[in-house]
Amino acid sequence: GENVEQHPSTLSVQEGDSAVIKCTYSDSASNYFPWYKQELGKRPQLIIDIRSNVGEKKDQRIAVTLNKTAKHFSLHITETQPEDSAVYFCAAYTFTSYDKVIFGPGTSLSVIP
Amino acid sequence: GAVVSQHPSRVICKSGTSVKIECRSLDFQATTMFWYRQFPKQSLMLMATSNEGSKATYEQGVEKDKFLINHASLTLSTLTVTSAHPEDSSFYICSAETGLGNTEAFFGQGTRLTVV
Repeated sequence: GENVEQHPSTLSVQEGDSAVIKCTYSDSASNYFPWYKQELGKRPQLIIDIRSNVGEKKDQRIAVTLNKTAKHFSLHITETQPEDSAVYFCAAYTFTSYDKVIFGPGTSLSVIP
Repeated sequence: GAVVSQHPSRVICKSGTSVKIECRSLDFQATTMFWYRQFPKQSLMLMATSNEGSKATYEQGVEKDKFLINHASLTLSTLTVTSAHPEDSSFYICSAETGLGNTEAFFGQGTRLTVV
């Protein structure tokens, strides 16, 4: 069945460094790729998203790239801050005759002051 | 962004009883709502997709008779865990979309279910 892989599962970076999280998906019909940040015990919060007709999107310190041919997309966080520490989930949505979404397994990011 | 309210936030119930969780879109009409289950330190597992006025589409392995989903209006979907058992203890989260060309999903705050 459809699958979304996410790497790494844990990531520790020094404050100010960059963090990169990568996801691959299997359903070629997937056309919407959001990234969520989830703090412990709280709801996931959308931080950035990208659609299948776009290759890159940037919002301040956060950027996402999409390679539809290779079926992978990545989250880039620059100038990391301690408050960036959280679990990050990628997701692949397929909007056709019905909506379908699969989440990646998550990446626990720790930013060390 | 839009607001999705989920209630209750925490519930403890006895084994064998049923629990209803509500998911409401407060300031928009949600044509589609998703229900997820999340185990500690794990990802969100999609349980089912519900569209207003039609039957929910359940993911493989999810028992439709155990997890009853009703999307009776454009602002309310409910998940009922029937005959709950300790293994049903988990964090349940809903999300809702407007379906108006805006594919961003807005999440409820989640429900921590503990079955004793």
